[in-house]
Amino acid sequence: EAEVAQSPRYKITEKSQAVAFWCDPISGHATLYWYRQILGQGPELLVQFQDESVVDDSQLPKDRFSAERLKGVDSTLKIQPAELGDSAMYLCASSFQGIVTGELFFGEGSRLTVL
Amino acid sequence: TQLLEQSPQFLSIQEGENLTVYCNSSSVFSSLQWYRQEPGEGPVLLVTVVTGGEVKKLKRLTFQFGDARKDSSLHITAAQPGDTGLYLCAGAVGSGGGADGLTFGKGTHLIIQP
Repeated sequence: EAEVAQSPRYKITEKSQAVAFWCDPISGHATLYWYRQILGQGPELLVQFQDESVVDDSQLPKDRFSAERLKGVDSTLKIQPAELGDSAMYLCASSFQGIVTGELFFGEGSRLTVL
Repeated sequence: TQLLEQSPQFLSIQEGENLTVYCNSSSVFSSLQWYRQEPGEGPVLLVTVVTGGEVKKLKRLTFQFGDARKDSSLHITAAQPGDTGLYLCAGAVGSGGGADGLTFGKGTHLIIQP
Protein backbone atom coordinates (compact mmCIF):
# COMPACT_ATOMS: atom_id res chain seq x y z
CA GLU A 1 0.00 0.00 0.00
CA ALA A 2 1.35 3.43 -0.95
CA GLU A 3 2.42 5.56 1.99
CA VAL A 4 3.76 9.00 2.74
CA ALA A 5 7.35 8.53 3.92
CA GLN A 6 8.92 10.85 6.47
CA SER A 7 12.34 10.96 8.09
CA PRO A 8 13.67 11.08 10.67
CA ARG A 9 10.98 9.65 12.96
CA TYR A 10 12.64 11.27 15.96
CA LYS A 11 15.05 14.18 16.28
CA ILE A 12 16.57 15.63 19.45
CA THR A 13 18.53 18.83 19.07
CA GLU A 14 19.75 21.74 21.11
CA LYS A 15 18.31 25.19 20.65
CA SER A 16 20.02 27.33 18.00
CA GLN A 17 20.89 24.24 15.94
CA ALA A 18 19.55 23.57 12.47
CA VAL A 19 17.17 20.68 11.76
CA ALA A 20 15.68 19.30 8.58
CA PHE A 21 12.80 16.96 7.87
CA TRP A 22 12.17 15.08 4.66
CA CYS A 23 8.92 13.90 3.11
CA ASP A 24 8.21 11.70 0.11
CA PRO A 25 4.51 11.83 -0.80
CA ILE A 26 2.48 9.12 -2.45
CA SER A 27 3.44 8.84 -6.11
CA GLY A 28 1.26 11.02 -8.31
CA HIS A 29 0.04 13.27 -5.52
CA ALA A 30 0.47 16.85 -6.67
CA THR A 31 -0.48 18.51 -3.41
CA LEU A 32 1.81 18.30 -0.38
CA TYR A 33 1.26 19.79 3.07
CA TRP A 34 3.45 20.28 6.12
CA TYR A 35 1.61 20.44 9.45
CA ARG A 36 2.91 21.01 12.98
CA GLN A 37 1.16 19.28 15.87
CA ILE A 38 1.94 20.31 19.43
CA LEU A 39 1.31 17.56 21.98
CA GLY A 40 -2.38 17.33 22.84
CA GLN A 41 -3.54 19.61 20.05
CA GLY A 42 -4.67 19.32 16.45
CA PRO A 43 -2.33 19.79 13.48
CA GLU A 44 -1.70 23.33 12.22
CA LEU A 45 -0.89 23.96 8.58
CA LEU A 46 2.57 25.40 7.96
CA VAL A 47 2.85 25.25 4.17
CA GLN A 48 1.03 23.84 1.15
CA PHE A 49 2.63 22.98 -2.19
CA GLN A 50 0.96 22.37 -5.53
CA ASP A 51 3.62 20.56 -7.52
CA GLU A 52 6.76 22.65 -6.93
CA SER A 53 4.93 25.90 -6.14
CA VAL A 54 4.03 27.21 -2.70
CA VAL A 55 0.28 27.79 -2.55
CA ASP A 56 0.00 28.84 1.10
CA ASP A 57 2.77 29.61 3.59
CA SER A 58 0.92 32.26 5.55
CA GLN A 59 1.41 30.38 8.85
CA LEU A 60 5.06 29.50 8.27
CA PRO A 61 7.44 31.45 10.58
CA LYS A 62 9.65 32.55 7.76
CA ASP A 63 12.35 34.02 9.94
CA ARG A 64 13.43 30.52 10.91
CA PHE A 65 11.44 28.03 8.85
CA SER A 66 11.84 27.22 5.17
CA ALA A 67 10.31 24.60 2.91
CA GLU A 68 11.02 23.51 -0.59
CA ARG A 69 9.80 20.99 -3.14
CA LEU A 70 12.22 21.62 -5.96
CA LYS A 71 11.14 18.92 -8.41
CA GLY A 72 7.54 18.74 -7.31
CA VAL A 73 8.00 15.36 -5.67
CA ASP A 74 9.71 15.10 -2.28
CA SER A 75 9.98 18.01 0.10
CA THR A 76 12.21 19.31 2.87
CA LEU A 77 11.23 21.43 5.86
CA LYS A 78 14.07 23.21 7.63
CA ILE A 79 14.28 25.06 10.93
CA GLN A 80 17.25 27.31 11.64
CA PRO A 81 17.82 28.12 14.42
CA ALA A 82 15.60 25.79 16.43
CA GLU A 83 13.89 27.18 19.53
CA LEU A 84 12.42 25.42 22.55
CA GLY A 85 8.90 26.18 21.35
CA ASP A 86 9.51 24.27 18.14
CA SER A 87 9.23 20.95 19.96
CA ALA A 88 6.34 19.19 18.23
CA MET A 89 5.37 16.52 15.74
CA TYR A 90 5.91 17.61 12.14
CA LEU A 91 3.47 15.87 9.84
CA CYS A 92 3.63 15.67 6.09
CA ALA A 93 0.52 14.89 4.07
CA SER A 94 -0.32 14.56 0.41
CA SER A 95 -3.41 14.39 -1.73
CA PHE A 96 -4.16 13.74 -5.37
CA GLN A 97 -6.36 16.74 -6.06
CA GLY A 98 -6.67 18.59 -2.79
CA ILE A 99 -8.79 17.89 0.23
CA VAL A 100 -12.11 19.06 -1.14
CA THR A 101 -12.17 16.35 -3.76
CA GLY A 102 -9.76 13.87 -2.31
CA GLU A 103 -8.41 12.23 0.80
CA LEU A 104 -5.45 13.61 2.72
CA PHE A 105 -2.85 10.96 3.49
CA PHE A 106 -0.52 11.60 6.40
CA GLY A 107 2.91 10.21 7.10
CA GLU A 108 3.89 8.92 10.53
CA GLY A 109 5.47 12.26 11.40
CA SER A 110 8.81 13.47 12.69
CA ARG A 111 8.92 14.08 16.42
CA LEU A 112 11.22 17.02 17.28
CA THR A 113 12.50 17.72 20.78
CA VAL A 114 14.49 20.90 21.29
CA LEU A 115 16.58 21.01 24.48
CA THR B 1 -9.20 32.24 10.74
CA GLN B 2 -11.72 29.42 10.93
CA LEU B 3 -11.96 27.91 14.40
CA LEU B 4 -13.23 24.41 15.11
CA GLU B 5 -14.25 23.60 18.66
CA GLN B 6 -14.37 19.94 19.62
CA SER B 7 -16.12 18.56 22.67
CA PRO B 8 -15.60 16.86 24.93
CA GLN B 9 -11.83 17.27 25.06
CA PHE B 10 -11.45 13.99 26.97
CA LEU B 11 -13.82 11.03 27.25
CA SER B 12 -13.30 7.73 29.04
CA ILE B 13 -16.09 5.14 28.93
CA GLN B 14 -16.60 1.43 29.34
CA GLU B 15 -16.64 -1.04 26.48
CA GLY B 16 -20.12 -1.45 25.03
CA GLU B 17 -21.34 2.07 25.78
CA ASN B 18 -22.41 4.59 23.16
CA LEU B 19 -20.89 8.03 22.76
CA THR B 20 -21.12 11.18 20.69
CA VAL B 21 -18.42 13.78 20.09
CA TYR B 22 -19.02 17.17 18.57
CA CYS B 23 -17.30 19.59 16.26
CA ASN B 24 -18.62 23.14 16.08
CA SER B 25 -17.70 26.33 14.29
CA SER B 26 -19.10 29.73 13.44
CA SER B 27 -17.71 29.32 9.92
CA VAL B 28 -19.24 27.52 6.97
CA PHE B 29 -17.13 24.76 5.48
CA SER B 30 -17.26 23.33 1.97
CA SER B 31 -16.44 19.94 3.44
CA LEU B 32 -15.55 18.44 6.75
CA GLN B 33 -13.42 15.43 7.54
CA TRP B 34 -12.99 13.24 10.58
CA TYR B 35 -9.65 11.63 11.36
CA ARG B 36 -8.48 9.17 14.00
CA GLN B 37 -4.94 9.39 15.31
CA GLU B 38 -3.09 6.89 17.48
CA PRO B 39 -0.08 7.90 19.61
CA GLY B 40 3.06 8.39 17.54
CA GLU B 41 1.21 8.03 14.26
CA GLY B 42 -0.24 10.38 11.70
CA PRO B 43 -4.00 10.96 11.44
CA VAL B 44 -5.99 8.54 9.30
CA LEU B 45 -9.08 9.68 7.44
CA LEU B 46 -12.37 8.16 8.56
CA VAL B 47 -14.88 10.08 6.47
CA THR B 48 -15.52 13.19 4.40
CA VAL B 49 -18.90 14.92 4.49
CA VAL B 50 -19.79 17.52 1.90
CA THR B 51 -23.54 18.13 1.84
CA GLY B 52 -25.43 19.90 4.62
CA GLY B 53 -27.47 17.35 6.57
CA GLU B 54 -25.46 14.45 5.20
CA VAL B 55 -25.20 11.30 7.31
CA LYS B 56 -22.56 8.66 6.68
CA LYS B 57 -22.13 5.35 8.43
CA LEU B 58 -18.92 3.39 8.81
CA LYS B 59 -19.70 0.18 10.67
CA ARG B 60 -20.41 1.34 14.25
CA LEU B 61 -19.54 4.98 13.51
CA THR B 62 -22.15 7.47 12.32
CA PHE B 63 -21.10 10.90 11.07
CA GLN B 64 -23.44 13.81 10.52
CA PHE B 65 -22.81 17.17 8.88
CA GLY B 66 -25.00 20.02 10.10
CA ASP B 67 -27.58 21.52 7.77
CA ALA B 68 -25.70 24.83 7.74
CA ARG B 69 -22.35 23.07 7.25
CA LYS B 70 -20.95 24.65 10.42
CA ASP B 71 -20.95 21.62 12.70
CA SER B 72 -20.63 17.88 12.74
CA SER B 73 -21.00 14.96 15.11
CA LEU B 74 -19.52 11.50 15.41
CA HIS B 75 -21.54 8.82 17.16
CA ILE B 76 -20.02 5.47 18.11
CA THR B 77 -22.28 2.58 19.02
CA ALA B 78 -21.09 -0.18 21.34
CA ALA B 79 -17.60 1.25 21.71
CA GLN B 80 -14.67 -1.17 21.74
CA PRO B 81 -11.12 -0.78 23.11
CA GLY B 82 -9.87 -0.57 19.53
CA ASP B 83 -11.78 2.70 19.15
CA THR B 84 -9.37 4.37 21.57
CA GLY B 85 -7.57 7.31 20.01
CA LEU B 86 -7.60 11.01 19.23
CA TYR B 87 -10.54 11.98 17.03
CA LEU B 88 -9.94 15.10 14.97
CA CYS B 89 -12.39 17.03 12.87
CA ALA B 90 -11.05 19.19 10.07
CA GLY B 91 -12.81 21.70 7.87
CA ALA B 92 -12.05 22.92 4.40
CA VAL B 93 -13.12 26.22 2.89
CA GLY B 94 -11.57 25.79 -0.53
CA SER B 95 -13.36 24.87 -3.71
CA GLY B 96 -10.70 22.55 -5.03
CA GLY B 97 -8.32 25.09 -6.49
CA GLY B 98 -5.62 27.09 -4.80
CA ALA B 99 -4.94 27.07 -1.07
CA ASP B 100 -7.19 24.57 0.66
CA GLY B 101 -5.33 23.39 3.71
CA LEU B 102 -7.50 21.85 6.38
CA THR B 103 -8.23 23.61 9.66
CA PHE B 104 -8.15 21.08 12.48
CA GLY B 105 -9.87 21.10 15.84
CA LYS B 106 -7.89 20.22 18.95
CA GLY B 107 -9.44 16.77 19.03
CA THR B 108 -11.29 14.52 21.44
CA HIS B 109 -9.14 12.06 23.36
CA LEU B 110 -11.23 8.90 23.62
CA ILE B 111 -10.40 5.97 25.91
CA ILE B 112 -12.50 2.82 25.86
CA GLN B 113 -11.88 0.70 28.91
CA PRO B 114 -12.33 -3.10 28.65
